[in-house]
Amino acid sequence: KAGVTQTPRYLIKTRGQQVTLSCSPISGHRSVSWYQQTPGQGLQFLFEYFSETQRNKGNFPGRFSGRQFSNSRSEMNVSTLELGDSALYLCASSLAGGGTYEQYFGPGTRLTVT
Amino acid sequence: QKEVEQNSGPLSVPEGAIASLNCTYSDRGSQSFFWYRQYSGKSPELIMFIYSNGDKEDGRFTAQLNKASQYVSLLIRDSQPSDSATYLCAPWRGGGGADGLTFGKGTHLIIQP
Repeated sequence: KAGVTQTPRYLIKTRGQQVTLSCSPISGHRSVSWYQQTPGQGLQFLFEYFSETQRNKGNFPGRFSGRQFSNSRSEMNVSTLELGDSALYLCASSLAGGGTYEQYFGPGTRLTVT
Repeated sequence: QKEVEQNSGPLSVPEGAIASLNCTYSDRGSQSFFWYRQYSGKSPELIMFIYSNGDKEDGRFTAQLNKASQYVSLLIRDSQPSDSATYLCAPWRGGGGADGLTFGKGTHLIIQP
């Protein structure tokens, strides 16, 4: 089975711009979670989608948003970028059902805001 | 506020020895516990998960869970240089899969040849 894929892998943006990141989960997985990883804060949960619905959200400002499509692919959008948004953005997919809730991470998108 | 504490290290262990990684957590509602390994510049890789008190073994890895003490550990036997990485502990409350994982800052493990 193919793993979780994320595009693009690297991105450089300017303050004030917006960005959209994409995540394709493992085939058959219906849950996609997004995380931000920075050296100072570590790995932090952004939000989780299941069957096109956001079920949970972490403590991030409204500039961070996402969506999920009917094929379980997910996108994350960050508007009005700030320097502090520079980070590795990871998505993780999970079967989220049948007693199986392990999350498997994609390779991540490295976002640099200048 | 959910908190997960891990010794940041670096933890240096000779090749062939047992590496012991520890994690304490504050959320008593945590039901499952995941250990991830993250190599520098790479994404986290799930290596172990444990749901019940006691020990769970998988190859050279053993996870130990004590919910009463809110403590989970990971033992790596016969440590290899390829085990050098940051190990992240993530307790999980459950909730049908909706809850995100709360990660510790991780322990940086170095296996010395």
